[in-house]
Amino acid sequence: DIQMTQSPSSLSASVGDRVTITCRTSQSIGHYLNWYQLKPGKAPNLLIYAASHLQNGVPSRFSGGGSGTDFTLTISSLRPEDFATYFCQQSYNTPFTFGPGTTVDVK
Amino acid sequence: QVQLQESGPGLVKPSETLSLSCTVSGGALNSGPYYWNWIRHPAGKGLEWIGRVYTHENFKYSGGTTYNPSLNSRVSISLDTSKNQFSLQLTSLTAADTATYYCARGLQHIEGATSVWFFDLWGRGTLVTVSS
Repeated sequence: DIQMTQSPSSLSASVGDRVTITCRTSQSIGHYLNWYQLKPGKAPNLLIYAASHLQNGVPSRFSGGGSGTDFTLTISSLRPEDFATYFCQQSYNTPFTFGPGTTVDVK
Repeated sequence: QVQLQESGPGLVKPSETLSLSCTVSGGALNSGPYYWNWIRHPAGKGLEWIGRVYTHENFKYSGGTTYNPSLNSRVSISLDTSKNQFSLQLTSLTAADTATYYCARGLQHIEGATSVWFFDLWGRGTLVTVSS
C-alpha cells in the first residue's frame, strides 16, 4: 500500500492567514492526488483533484500543487468557514489511501 | 443534484454482520462510468477506503468490484438498481470496525493518457458502533 503523511498534523491560524498543508507519499504517484475537507456532521467535500484541478464550486482561494511524492494544499486567505480537517488521498492504485489529516483551528 | 444517503443500524454486536445501504437520489445509480465506494473513519484515526462497485450506462459492464485487501475476506459490495442503492456487507465484526461509514461516488478525470479517479460526492456518514 502507498503510505501517506501530512504536515503539520494541526495548525492554529487566523482569518486572512495564508495556510499551506503538505502531503507526502511513499512512492511516486504522478498527479494522482486529491484533497478533501471534512467537518463534523457534514459530508466530506472534494476541493482539489489530480493535484491541481479546482473542483467546481470550490472557492479560488484553495489551490493545489506538486507531483511525484510531494504535494501542497494552499488556502490563500483563510475564511471562517475553512476551519476544518483536510485530507489528501492517492488514487494511483488500489487500495486507495488517505493521509492522516491536518486540522486547522482558530488561533 | 445527485445526493447520497447512508442507512443502517447504529449498533451491531461483535461477530455479527454489518449491512449498510447508500441511496442515490437525483440521478441514476446505473449510469456513468462511475465507481460507488464505501469509506470509513474510526474516531481519532485516518480515513480507510473499503471498496467499490462499478457502473456504466451500458449495464453489461456494471457490477465489477474492488476491495481493500485488509478487509477482502470480510467485505462485499453490491448494486440494487431497482432501489437506486448500493450496499456494504462486513462480516465478523470486532470493536475495531467501530467507525463512521461513508458512501461516495467515484468520478474520473481524463487528461491525455491518464485517468485520475476521485470522490466527488459523499454522504454525511453513519456512525456504526460494534459493542455487546
